[in-house]
Amino acid sequence: QQQVKQSPQSLIVQKGGISIINCAYENTAFDYFPWYQQFPGKGPALLIAIRPDVSEKKEGRFTISFNKSAKQFSLHIMDSQPGDSATYFCAASASGTYKYIFGTGTRLKVLA
Amino acid sequence: GAGVSQSPRYKVAKRGQDVALRCDPISGHVSLFWYQQALGQGPEFLTYFQNEAQLDKSGLPSDRFFAERPEGSVSTLKIQRTQQEDSAVYLCASSPGVAGSREQFFGPGTRLTVL
Repeated sequence: QQQVKQSPQSLIVQKGGISIINCAYENTAFDYFPWYQQFPGKGPALLIAIRPDVSEKKEGRFTISFNKSAKQFSLHIMDSQPGDSATYFCAASASGTYKYIFGTGTRLKVLA
Repeated sequence: GAGVSQSPRYKVAKRGQDVALRCDPISGHVSLFWYQQALGQGPEFLTYFQNEAQLDKSGLPSDRFFAERPEGSVSTLKIQRTQQEDSAVYLCASSPGVAGSREQFFGPGTRLTVL
């Protein structure tokens, strides 16, 4: 019940295309859902986060869509660029515990 | 500094040696977390501090792992009698800890290799 399932494991997108990464969870106590970007040899960096009281949040080219009833959320990267090539992790946390439960990661490659 | 720093960045230990990994959080951040990231996997929670109090250590894999944050700032993760399965990147994250703020800011990690 503590798991966050992430798909796909890897993704190849053409420059200018849309990258879509999906996550699903079971624990209804989760109330904070961040997405992190990680480059090789670096620590994860926060991209965007959402709480379950909204269905969508957009920051620049990055959008989170959230479906509370389905317990699913996704990251959309619009106009994908080669510099977006990295590993992306979704995560979830519950109020009162604050620790993050991470998905297994999606390795994104954007072709020039 | 502006971000979370960790030292050393790389550590090679022989099986059975003790190691100590250091984390300097963002100044003023109340909450501090340690995660373990195996190759090709997502980070996994180890332990959580609020100031100097260790509120959650449920993720520590064995009693060989010990973490402390004695003055509510710098934290040290110690691994005794290292084993090959301890090889991973150890990430530290800090968070303001104030109401409404759940963002965690990660350091670059320490890559531990146990031979």
